[in-house]
Amino acid sequence: EPEVTQTPSHQVTQMGQEVILRCVPISNHLYFYWYRQILGQKVEFLVSFYNNEISEKSEIFDDQFSVERPDGSNFTLKIRSTKLEDSAMYFCASRPLWESKNIQYFGAGTRLSVL
Amino acid sequence: ILNVEQSPQSLHVQEGDSTNFTCSFPSSNFYALHWYRWETVKSPEALFVMTLNGDEKKKGRISATLNTKEGYSYLYIKGSQPEDSATYLCALGGDGGSNYKLTFGKGTLLTVNP
Repeated sequence: EPEVTQTPSHQVTQMGQEVILRCVPISNHLYFYWYRQILGQKVEFLVSFYNNEISEKSEIFDDQFSVERPDGSNFTLKIRSTKLEDSAMYFCASRPLWESKNIQYFGAGTRLSVL
Repeated sequence: ILNVEQSPQSLHVQEGDSTNFTCSFPSSNFYALHWYRWETVKSPEALFVMTLNGDEKKKGRISATLNTKEGYSYLYIKGSQPEDSATYLCALGGDGGSNYKLTFGKGTLLTVNP
């Protein structure tokens, strides 16, 4: 069964460093999302992406964040200069163009630890 | 702004017990309510999507209902098994357009003891 894959599963970085979190969405999907969950808190929406551009972003998604679909398969989230408060589980999700139930299919997440 | 609350935060039951938990929302200004099941180190898995007041969905021993007038959804598990142990996430989905983002509750962590 097709699935969303995320790499790495755990990323440890120093404060101020750049990180790139990678996602391979399901191949025929056209809508892509990033969410994150800080430990003990709700899963929060970060950004949605469609037709090679951001369609919506949350207040969290400031200038330190960017997303890219560099080729036909990958969807990346870059954090330019990580802060301690960026430590969280980051989830990628995708959904097809025609999905009557609007189900989003999630990856297993990347746990980012900023030291 | 949508707000989603789930209760209880965690729940321990014995194998064979039936259980239920709640997702509540003060506003019904959403397109669909989603239930996901998330086992740590795995992907959150979609269980149910409900859009209409009075919707009921069932998959095996798990079922869910939606009451948009009173602002809640229940998830029921009949005869819990250890493999049901997971975090159950409730999320509200937007207007169905390209900005269809999900607004989540904190989840209910279910532990089923053998």
